[in-house]
Amino acid sequence: SQTIHQWPATLVQPVGSPLSLECTVEGTSNPNLYWYRQAAGRGLQLLFYSVGIGQISSEVPQNLSASRPQDRQFILSSKKLLLSDSGFYLCAWSKTRATNEKLFFGSGTQLSVL
Amino acid sequence: AQSVAQPEDQVNVAEGNPLTVKCTYSVSGNPYLFWYVQYPNRGLQFLLKYITGDNLVKGSYGFEAEFNKSQTSFHLKKPSALVSDSALYFCAVRAPGAGSYQLTFGKGTKLSVIP
Repeated sequence: SQTIHQWPATLVQPVGSPLSLECTVEGTSNPNLYWYRQAAGRGLQLLFYSVGIGQISSEVPQNLSASRPQDRQFILSSKKLLLSDSGFYLCAWSKTRATNEKLFFGSGTQLSVL
Repeated sequence: AQSVAQPEDQVNVAEGNPLTVKCTYSVSGNPYLFWYVQYPNRGLQFLLKYITGDNLVKGSYGFEAEFNKSQTSFHLKKPSALVSDSALYFCAVRAPGAGSYQLTFGKGTKLSVIP
């Protein structure tokens, strides 16, 4: 069966510090991978998605970047965090090239930038 | 551009009563529609989806949703609510077509089932 792992679960970082959140998927090949952010009291905002190794699409201009160094690994990064980067970050995957397929979500990372 | 509206921030219902969580959408073409549930400090879990076919879709945990094209709605329903159904519910829409990976979510509706 397929599983998705996301870590850390909670992170407190000072403004201006770097960020690295990691997500890995097991039990499937060539998944589509996604990073979403959920701000308090708001819906989910798609940040990045990837349809293959090294292929990253950004949906919203921002202080963050994403990379996919391996087929089932997706990393969210920042060189210098801003207060506005605080939120709940969710990684997700779906089957390859299938736009009618459901997303499977990780358990999320609560990021607090102070 | 596609969008989803969940007009109610919170829905309260007594245990055993039927529940409805409302969702309307805007998208070009025939939509793919989804409902997800989120428990506190957790990721989202898939409940059900509408792609094509029967307008009434049945999903996990006894939930169902009805696709209404004329009203551009996809309301989530359950005949008898349980306390354990208390959670945050998200409606989502995706436009069909190759390369359409953008799944747009509503802001969520908090469902509270009162014992």
